[in-house]
Amino acid sequence: GENVEQHPSTLSVQEGDSAVIKCTYSDSASNYFPWYKQELGKRPQLIIDIRSNVGEKKDQRIAVTLNKTAKHFSLHITETQPEDSAVYFCAASPPGGSNYKLTFGKGTLLTVNP
Amino acid sequence: SQTIHQWPATLVQPVGSPLSLECTVEGTSNPNLYWYRQAAGRGLQLLFYSVGIGQISSEVPQNLSASRPQDRQFILSSKKLLLSDSGFYLCAWSSGARPTFGSGTRLTVV
Repeated sequence: GENVEQHPSTLSVQEGDSAVIKCTYSDSASNYFPWYKQELGKRPQLIIDIRSNVGEKKDQRIAVTLNKTAKHFSLHITETQPEDSAVYFCAASPPGGSNYKLTFGKGTLLTVNP
Repeated sequence: SQTIHQWPATLVQPVGSPLSLECTVEGTSNPNLYWYRQAAGRGLQLLFYSVGIGQISSEVPQNLSASRPQDRQFILSSKKLLLSDSGFYLCAWSSGARPTFGSGTRLTVV
């Protein structure tokens, strides 16, 4: 089955700096890669996703890049703010129509210091 | 718009007691439904998923089971809870789109 590795497990940055979280996946057939943000005690919420036919996607301060050859994808947050502090999860899903059977990474605790 | 309801929000149960967590989705039909578990400080583990009524796929062997008695209802059960069953249980749904999570149930087995 799919295996997703996520690094780093914790990340501390100063407000205004950039943050980068990296994930690798094992199944070359995976074609959908979402990123979720989970605040303490809350549900994970989708912040951005990318499909394997696209190399990069950007949404305001958040961007995701995908390297299919190397089987890794990254989340980039620019101009970080204290409200960006949360646990971020990457995930990968194999082809399967609308059945998104996600395999998650173990998460990255991001702390943005004011 | 679609909404997902999950209850209860918190639950404390003794070892060996039964469990029933319920999840319902509104505003869509024939959704894919999922149960995930998140242990403390760890990632999200897919437990079960369902593509239709009565169709359940198990991802991890354990003492939990799932059922889908109605199109938009997904139930997670156990006959006898173990200490290791403690965690944050999340229901999710998708229908031709990325999964959306419910608010979760924090289960503590004592």
